[in-house]
Amino acid sequence: DIVLTQSPATLSLSPGDRATLSCRASQRVRSYLAWYQQKPGQAPRLLIYDASNRATGIPARFSGSGSGTDFTLTISSLEPEDFAVYYCQQCSIWPYTFGPGTTVDIK
Amino acid sequence: EVQLLESGGGLVQPGGSLRLSCAASGFTFSSNWMSWVRQAPGKGLEWVANIKQDGSDKNYVDSVKGRFTISRDNAKNSLYLQMNSLRAEDTAMYYCARGGSRPDYWGQGTLVTVSS
Repeated sequence: DIVLTQSPATLSLSPGDRATLSCRASQRVRSYLAWYQQKPGQAPRLLIYDASNRATGIPARFSGSGSGTDFTLTISSLEPEDFAVYYCQQCSIWPYTFGPGTTVDIK
Repeated sequence: EVQLLESGGGLVQPGGSLRLSCAASGFTFSSNWMSWVRQAPGKGLEWVANIKQDGSDKNYVDSVKGRFTISRDNAKNSLYLQMNSLRAEDTAMYYCARGGSRPDYWGQGTLVTVSS
C-alpha cells in the first residue's frame, strides 16, 4: 500500500499567517492527490483534488501543488475557521490511502 | 442540495453483524461512484470500500475483505455496507461519501462500536 507521510504533525500559527503543509508519498502517485479539512465532530471536506484543483466553493486562499511524491497545501492567510486537521489522500493505486493528518492550531 | 444520511450503526458484540445504510438526495445517485470511509475514535481516515455506478465494480481494503460487502440500490438512491464477523478494530465512525476516488460530499457518519 502507498504510505503518505504528513509534516509537520502540528502547526501552531496565528490568524493571518501563511500555512504550508507537506505530504510525501512512498511511491509516485502522479497528480492523484487530494486534500481534506476536518473539524471536530464534522465530516471531512474536500479542499483540493488532482493536486492543485480547488473543489467547489473552496476559497482562493487554499492552494495545492506538487506531483509524483511531494505535495504541498498552502493557506495564504489563515482565517479563524481554518484551524482544523488536514489530511492528504492518494487515489492513484487501490487501496486509496490517507496521511495521518496535520493539525493547524492557534498559537 | 446534496445530502447523505447514514444509519444503522450501534453497539454490537465481536463476531456480530450490522448493515449500514446511506440515503442519498440532491444529485443523480446512479451516476456516481460511492464510497464508505471510516475513522476510529481519535484516529485518522481509512477507506473501506467503493462501488461503481451500476455496482459492477467494487473494491475493498484488505482488512475487511471477505467480511464486508458494499452494495447499492439505484432505484432507492441508497448505499449499503453489510458488515459481518465484526472485530473490535472495526469500531469507528463510518462515513458514506459521493465519489469513488476523491469524494466531494460526505455524510455526518454513523458510529459502530464493537465490544462485549
